[in-house]
Amino acid sequence: QVQLVESGGGVVQPGRSLRLSCAASGFTFSTYGMHWVRQAPGKGLEWVAVIWYDGSRKNNVDSVKGRFTISRDNSKNTLYLQMNSLTADDTAVYYCARDPSGATGAFDMWGQGTMVIVSS
Amino acid sequence: QLVLTQSPSASASLGASVEITCTLSSGHSTYAIAWHQQQPEKGPRYLMKLNSDGSHTKGDGIPDRFSGSSSGTERYLTISNLQSEDEADYYCQTWGTAFVVFGGGTKLTVL
Repeated sequence: QVQLVESGGGVVQPGRSLRLSCAASGFTFSTYGMHWVRQAPGKGLEWVAVIWYDGSRKNNVDSVKGRFTISRDNSKNTLYLQMNSLTADDTAVYYCARDPSGATGAFDMWGQGTMVIVSS
Repeated sequence: QLVLTQSPSASASLGASVEITCTLSSGHSTYAIAWHQQQPEKGPRYLMKLNSDGSHTKGDGIPDRFSGSSSGTERYLTISNLQSEDEADYYCQTWGTAFVVFGGGTKLTVL
């Protein structure tokens, strides 16, 4: 079954860290660019980060630069998002999405999301 | 700067057609976009990739009722024969080298 399954969300105190995972199955993970997108409660979609199909290039939105790191393990078909120095503004549902261009392009599949709540 | 602009809301009657618009910022008329649907309390779902010439590639299982077209910096999503399950938020997405941009979303109400 072709799917993306996120995990690792939860409630975390401000300033702490969390690592999200996105497990891919049913397709050749190593040929797809991968992204993280988040959605704060009641808000629209916000792109967070991208990693090239082979991990050779990464980028993220300015609001998380220096705090969030995207990575992937193609041997495990898994995408990660390491989130440090979390603030209340990072509270959101986090989605992973695949990109058949191998880099940045149209997303053609999404995961179901994992909720991150930053609160004391 | 690459920006996508969407009207916040749209509405149409059951069985009717509706057109949702996504406008690219000036100077970006050659950019392709993608349309995504987000039903209430669900994750987004890919609908189609829409090129500047109006050609589009739909996702698996997307009904023929969904179509796309382009004109200049405007990108359109047309939904015909509206069904109750089409009531959702619709987002357009575009991209540059190593970054992605979303429109603010259009909330479609089916009357």
